[in-house]
Amino acid sequence: ETGVTQTPRHLVMGMTNKKSLKCEQHLGHNAMYWYKQSAKKPLELMFVYNFKEQTENNSVPSRFSPECPNSSHLFLHLHTLQPEDSALYLCASSQETGGAGSSPLHFGNGTRLTVT
Amino acid sequence: GENVEQHPSTLSVQEGDSAVIKCTYSDSASNYFPWYKQELGKGPQLIIDIRSNVGEKKDQRIAVTLNKTAKHFSLHITETQPEDSAVYFCAAHNFGNEKLTFGTGTRLTIIP
Repeated sequence: ETGVTQTPRHLVMGMTNKKSLKCEQHLGHNAMYWYKQSAKKPLELMFVYNFKEQTENNSVPSRFSPECPNSSHLFLHLHTLQPEDSALYLCASSQETGGAGSSPLHFGNGTRLTVT
Repeated sequence: GENVEQHPSTLSVQEGDSAVIKCTYSDSASNYFPWYKQELGKGPQLIIDIRSNVGEKKDQRIAVTLNKTAKHFSLHITETQPEDSAVYFCAAHNFGNEKLTFGTGTRLTIIP
């Protein structure tokens, strides 16, 4: 186990649906991240939270809305998505922000999202 | 911003042989270079990393080399085994702006 749990593992949703992805980390880390992984593209950083405060929004469309109620939980709320949003969404955590050498990223196994 | 290029995109190696994956980066301020392994159905897992003040680091069958002058770093896997089959990602981190930039990945297949 990685210490970072993501649910659901798979999600199929229509463009008019509203759904949420959940991430929980059991590592006592202070920073949490959402990444998007699409085929043949580098991992794309979406959001960063440090001590529950959002420290980075990487120009992500407003149809993606993150929520971090505490340092252990992270949500990604989805609404009116487009087919091109289909991807693997990865949650990660680290002791500190920035994925620095002193605190590497620990990834969950992701949620495979398909938008129809 | 930083740009990380990774080659090859796919690599097939006979079991027992060595595999080498190469990455180049553009930002000379980058000073930390992790490598991640992603198995099917799982998230990326850190397997080895290197800082800019070191030229080489080894951990059992895997090693990473860094050439700061040329701005490239490589992952070496020796005596490959079937469980080494996965997608490998390099990344470059700049402590100044706290950005971690990933390469596009290499799908490594070990042929039994």
